[in-house]
This record gives sequence, structure tokens and C-alpha cells, in this order.
Amino acid sequence: QVQLQESGPGLVKPSGTLSLSCAVSYGSINSRNCWSWVRQPPGKGLEWIGEICHSGNINHNPSHKSRVTISIDKSKNQLSLELNSVTAADTAVYYCARVGERELDYWGHGTLVSVSS
Amino acid sequence: DIQMTQSPSSVSASVGDRVTITCRASQDISTWLAWYQQKPGKAPKVLIYAASILQSGVPSRFSGSGSGTDFTLTISSLQPEDFATYHCQQANSFPYTFGQGTKLEIK
Repeated sequence: QVQLQESGPGLVKPSGTLSLSCAVSYGSINSRNCWSWVRQPPGKGLEWIGEICHSGNINHNPSHKSRVTISIDKSKNQLSLELNSVTAADTAVYYCARVGERELDYWGHGTLVSVSS
Repeated sequence: DIQMTQSPSSVSASVGDRVTITCRASQDISTWLAWYQQKPGKAPKVLIYAASILQSGVPSRFSGSGSGTDFTLTISSLQPEDFATYHCQQANSFPYTFGQGTKLEIK
């Protein structure tokens, strides 16, 4: 069964860059799946950030404009998220997830990132 | 962006009750809808995808229906472990969007 595990700094300064990794276990990042990032601000709903597919196609949520970079490192079997120019509004639990048909069928446990000076 | 509106935002029910949660899309999404269950401090878990297909391992008391703009998630007989927050998500077009969530509480 596929397992995903997010990692990265829990605290980022305003205007800095949030960088997270998601390690995939018991499955290949090269499989014919797409991989997504989703976030959830404390006490609020879920927000889709974007996805990257084995084909190389990447789709982002335009609400983040050009601040988001999603990539895959095949040698490490992991995907990554970078979000730059962060503000307090970017404080959230960040999840990585595998895309099944189009649903998110496997999720990481999530990692809380706080933006604060 | 496609707006997803869930109702109710919260509901109180008892073990054994039948509960229905609705999700309305701001435009036609065919059957590209998924339902997730989320417990406090945990990641969401997919229950239903393609509007009505039960994810493997999910109890049969969960069911989904609908197409176009109107969808429902039904729990036929609530169990103690079902008290959680439920989210719908459209996967018809980018950016994928979620409903605001429905919190199911014990009466």
C-alpha cells in the first residue's frame, strides 16, 4: 500500500520560501499517476494547490499566481513543493496525495507550516 | 473556478440514524465528484469517487449519488466512528475545488 510522508521546516519567515518534500514508499513516483499538494489552514477547509503527472504535465491553482513550483525527483522517489513570498495566510497543514482516477486516494499525514517572524 | 457548496455546514445525529449531506457545484461537473472523511488531526480519506463508486475498504453504509450539479452522500446507519467532517471535491476542471466541509456531530 502506497505511503506518503511530508517533511520540511515547520516555521518560515514572512516573504520567505516554503519548501516541502513528500517521500513515496511502497509505490513508484514514476507510476502512471499524478501527485497533488493540498493545504488546510487551521480550522478551515481544504485547498487544492496543484498537481504533477508522470507525463510531466503540471497544473497549478491560479489563486497562488506564480508563487508555486511543483516538481518530482525520480531518483529520490519524491515530489516537492515550493511556495515563495509567503505571508501569514499561507500558514496551514500541507498534504501530499496521490491522484487515482481523479480522486485523491492516498494521502500523507500532513505537516504544519507556520509563517511567522 | 467551480464553487462547491455543501449543506448543512454541521449536523447533529445519533448512532443508527440515516444522514444525508449535499454538495452543489456552480456548474456542470458530470460525475467528477469525490467525498472525503476527515477526523481531527488526520488526513482526509476518500470514501466515494466518480460520484457513486465506493472506495475499496469503505463500509457499504456509505453511498453517493448525483450528477451534473447536485450530489449527495448518505450514511445509512451512523456508527460511532462516522462522527467526523466530510468534504466534497470536484475533479471536472482545474483548479480542483472542495466544499467548505460538513461537521457531523453526536446528538
